[in-house]
Amino acid sequence: DAKTTQPNSMESNEEEPVHLPCNHSTISGTDYIHWYRQLPSQGPEYVIHGLTSNVNNRMASLAIAEDRKSSTLILHRATLRDAAVYYCILRDFSNTGKLIFGQGTTLQVKP
Amino acid sequence: DTAVSQTPKYLVTQMGNDKSIKCEQNLGHDTMYWYKQDSKKFLKIMFSYNNKELIINETVPNRFSPKSPDKAHLNLHINSLELGDSAVYFCASSQEQGVTYEQYFGPGTRLTVT
Repeated sequence: DAKTTQPNSMESNEEEPVHLPCNHSTISGTDYIHWYRQLPSQGPEYVIHGLTSNVNNRMASLAIAEDRKSSTLILHRATLRDAAVYYCILRDFSNTGKLIFGQGTTLQVKP
Repeated sequence: DTAVSQTPKYLVTQMGNDKSIKCEQNLGHDTMYWYKQDSKKFLKIMFSYNNKELIINETVPNRFSPKSPDKAHLNLHINSLELGDSAVYFCASSQEQGVTYEQYFGPGTRLTVT
């Protein structure tokens, strides 16, 4: 399974945009890029996923570099509730559906 | 309406005991999973079932035995509990096991072995 690299922690101010980076230089052509987050004392929660094109949903946007070796999760207006650990995960067709979590990025949101 | 539920939420027991954690999903999904989150917060897949059939067994000790009586339930039975089994166990489900399907996680069961 291809590896992802994320900063250990980031800080943001409330109501400002947040850009969470993820490097995946060994990504293969069939790897999907998934983001999950884990709020304190809760189970992980799906955020967004994409393959090649940028994606938007009600929670966030995913910007994927043209060479696919990196991606950025964008929270357009951070709220205190967005404080969580964010995981960038690569999934390919051969991984039988399992999620392989790394250490993630701990996002702190300051009021 | 809780999509993925687990019982109990907390479980404290002594070494050597046998315990079970139950998981139920009301989403009509075909695939269910068990993950373990250790004290360092690393999340790792343990098992996956698709339509009641075991798909993934990630070299988990055979003291751990998942059981899926039907598609909506995936229980985890642990024999001869050890201190190292202390962790938070998360159940999850997805519509199918493919890579484009998101997984829905339960609230977790915190197991403490003393």
